[in-house]
Amino acid sequence: KAGVTQTPRYLIKTRGQQVTLSCSPISGHRSVSWYQQTPGQGLQFLFEYFSETQRNKGNFPGRFSGRQFSNSRSEMNVSTLELGDSALYLCASSLDGPTYEQYFGPGTRLTVT
Amino acid sequence: GQQVMQIPQYQHVQEGEDFTTYCNSSTTLSNIQWYKQRPGGHPVFLIQLVKSGEVKKQKRLTFQFGEAKKNSSLHITATQTTDVGTYFCASFGNEKLTFGTGTRLTIIP
Repeated sequence: KAGVTQTPRYLIKTRGQQVTLSCSPISGHRSVSWYQQTPGQGLQFLFEYFSETQRNKGNFPGRFSGRQFSNSRSEMNVSTLELGDSALYLCASSLDGPTYEQYFGPGTRLTVT
Repeated sequence: GQQVMQIPQYQHVQEGEDFTTYCNSSTTLSNIQWYKQRPGGHPVFLIQLVKSGEVKKQKRLTFQFGEAKKNSSLHITATQTTDVGTYFCASFGNEKLTFGTGTRLTIIP
């Protein structure tokens, strides 16, 4: 079974721009979660989507948003990029949510200059 | 929100030595998951513990969940170079998975 895929793998943006990242979960998985990973803050939960609905949200500003489509694919958007948004953005899919094992994608490395 | 403290932050061991990382919480945890992230890679699920006092083994890896469900440990016996990476614990609470800060393991050949 194919794993979780994320596109693009690498991205360089300038401050003030916006970015959209994509995640395709494992077939049959209905839950997609997004995490931000930085050396200083570790793995921080952004949000979780289940059946096209945002089920939970972490402590990030409103510039971070996401959505999920009917085929469970998910996108996250960051508007008005700041230098501090430079990070590895990971998505994880699971059968039914965070109490199940999470299958992580390879991540998108975002650099904001 | 739920917080899980993980220690140590770094661990350097000689190949063949044992390694242990600990996760501690001030509140009772409903479950604990463990992940491994190789350098340059992404977290990979290792195991989930749910029951008080639970012990699970995977080859050289032993996972424990405390009796009070407030702490957990991962022990690796006779480390190998393939064990290099960062080990994270994660707990479910407030409808989300919260990750510990991770323990980065390096092996000295």
